[in-house]
Amino acid sequence: AQRVTQPEKLLSVFKGAPVELKCNYSYSGSPELFWYVQYSRQRLQLLLRHISRESIKGFTADLNKGETSFHLKKPFAQEEDSAMYYCALRRWETSGSRLTFGEGTQLTVNP
Amino acid sequence: DTAVSQTPKYLVTQMGNDKSIKCEQNLGHDTMYWYKQDSKKFLKIMFSYNNKELIINETVPNRFSPKSPDKAHLNLHINSLELGDSAVYFCASGGTSTDTQYFGPGTRLTVL
Repeated sequence: AQRVTQPEKLLSVFKGAPVELKCNYSYSGSPELFWYVQYSRQRLQLLLRHISRESIKGFTADLNKGETSFHLKKPFAQEEDSAMYYCALRRWETSGSRLTFGEGTQLTVNP
Repeated sequence: DTAVSQTPKYLVTQMGNDKSIKCEQNLGHDTMYWYKQDSKKFLKIMFSYNNKELIINETVPNRFSPKSPDKAHLNLHINSLELGDSAVYFCASGGTSTDTQYFGPGTRLTVL
C-alpha cells in the first residue's frame, strides 16, 4: 500500500528565511510525486511535479529514492507563501490515476 | 473559463436532511473524483468515476451516492446527513494523458 507522510502539521518561519517542508513516502512501484498548495479557502493547485524538475514561485523539490523523500524547499520565504501544502503520490490504475495525499503542512511566513 | 466547477460553494443544512453537490469539468477528462477535506485539513479520496463508471469507492458510508450522468459531470448525493459529514468536498478531474488532477473550488458543507 502507498503512504505519504508529512511530519510537520505546522511550520512557521520569518520572511526571508529558508523553508523546507518534509515529505516521505512508501510505495512499492516507481513513484510519481507532486506538491499541491491550497491558499486560504481556495482550491488545491498543483505547485510542482517531480518529473519536470521545475522551480515554481522559487520552490524546488527533489525526489530522493534512497531516503524515499520529496521535500519542498525555498531559499527565501515570502509572506504570500503562507498556505497549506500537500505532498501527493500518484498511482496509475487500469482506468485512471489515484492520488494519495499526505496530512498537509500549514506554512506561515511571518513579516 | 472555469475548468472544474462545483455548486453550491456553501451548504448549511440540518441533520437528517438529504443534499446534493454538483460538479462539472470542461477539460474533456475521462476521470472525475470526489475528495473530502475534514476539519483537520486531511484530504482523502472518496470516489472515482471513469467514463460514467465507478472505479474507486473508498470506505464511505452508503449514505453517500455519486452519480455521473455523463463524463463531464459527477454529482454527490448525501442522504440522512450527520454532524460528522461537515467538511469541504472537492471535486477533481484527470485524464489518462494528463499528468495531474485539477480541483474544483470546493463545497463547504456544514451540518447543524
